[in-house]
Amino acid sequence: AQSVTQPDIHITVSEGASLELRCNYSYGATPYLFWYVQSPGQGLQLLLKYFSGDTLVQGIKGFEAEFKRSQSSFNLRKPSVHWSDAAEYFCAVPSLGNEKLTFGTGTRLTIIP
Amino acid sequence: EPEVTQTPSHQVTQMGQEVILRCVPISNHLYFYWYRQILGQKVEFLVSFYNNEISEKSEIFDDQFSVERPDGSNFTLKIRSTKLEDSAMYFCASSQTGDYGYTFGSGTRLTVV
Repeated sequence: AQSVTQPDIHITVSEGASLELRCNYSYGATPYLFWYVQSPGQGLQLLLKYFSGDTLVQGIKGFEAEFKRSQSSFNLRKPSVHWSDAAEYFCAVPSLGNEKLTFGTGTRLTIIP
Repeated sequence: EPEVTQTPSHQVTQMGQEVILRCVPISNHLYFYWYRQILGQKVEFLVSFYNNEISEKSEIFDDQFSVERPDGSNFTLKIRSTKLEDSAMYFCASSQTGDYGYTFGSGTRLTVV
């Protein structure tokens, strides 16, 4: 079954520092991959998605992610985080042949001054 | 920017009672979804809905659950007889093309006591 693993439950980063959130996928074919963010009390907002083509994907809010087939990874990056980036981040992959998204367990990002 | 609107934001109900969670998807979207997130756990797919019928449902979506699009704007999730384990955040989502780039609502937190 298609799945994603987010190995980091909680990450703390200083404001202005760079960020990388890890996501590893298990998928039977070339995957579609997604990153969502959930701010406190908010819904899930799509940050970026990879369908095909350029393996470096640009998203909203200054985020990017790189698809690496050799490592089965789709890590999310940001060169300089802002306090407003504090949130929970979810990687997701669709199931083959149907419409549902399978989410990872999420990584909670805390920003310190 | 168009939004998916969910009401109420928080609902408390007694075990065994029926609840209806309401969603107003984006007006030109054709695909509708419900997901849920039990506290501390993954976001899980419940059901997808297209062309006035369920297109896919998960094993969670048993006979206690139903969905309806009673008019041209609302999309509802009904739980007939709530259980304690139904306590979760329920997210509605919609998509124009079904390509997984969902727009999620901010969720309804359901607490069953």
